[in-house]
Amino acid sequence: NAGVTQTPKFQVLKTGQSMTLQCAQDMNHEYMSWYRQDPGMGLRLIHYSVGAGITDQGEVPNGYNVSRSTTEDFPLRLLSAAPSQTSVYFCASSKQGLEADTQYFGPGTRLTVL
Amino acid sequence: AQSVTQLDSQVPVFEEAPVELRCNYSSSVSVYLFWYVQYPNQGLQLLLKYLSGSTLVKGINGFEAEFNKSQTSFHLRKPSVHISDTAEYFCAVTGTGGGADGLTFGKGTHLIIQP
Repeated sequence: NAGVTQTPKFQVLKTGQSMTLQCAQDMNHEYMSWYRQDPGMGLRLIHYSVGAGITDQGEVPNGYNVSRSTTEDFPLRLLSAAPSQTSVYFCASSKQGLEADTQYFGPGTRLTVL
Repeated sequence: AQSVTQLDSQVPVFEEAPVELRCNYSSSVSVYLFWYVQYPNQGLQLLLKYLSGSTLVKGINGFEAEFNKSQTSFHLRKPSVHISDTAEYFCAVTGTGGGADGLTFGKGTHLIIQP
């Protein structure tokens, strides 16, 4: 198993550009989520999904969209990038309800918005 | 809603010395607790977790943590650290009520091992 994969590893955008951060897992996990990590802030939940076709907002959802058309993939879309979205983004997945299972994290995408 | 406080942003310690990383949480409901480690330029890896049962939890790499409900704490300890333990450590919490609202993380503690 490849686990949780994320692409790209690094990305530089200009303000106003759009892009999609890709996340995929091959463990047949129902639960997937996106976090952003900022210095001194820990990780904060952006969006999550409990299964294909179901998504919901986390703590910091503004400026981001998600969809979950398959169990394996959970892309994160930035419609109009802003410098405040400069961060490291982590995707995570777990097998069932979050509370009892280990969350597996991807290696992260480092995004810079100029 | 939950919150997590990691009191120390950095903890320097000499190699082979013991270490304790502190974590306190606040929650109106019962919680599950986690410690994750992040090595430089990598993702997060689970060290250990408390779900129920014994309040002393043992994890990977010789780490352990003790859940103290009365003090709402979940401190991480290791009796003898190694240079390879240099990393960022995150305490995290989630409610047990079945809501899939993700993990709430502390701001992290940078463990610095000095030779």
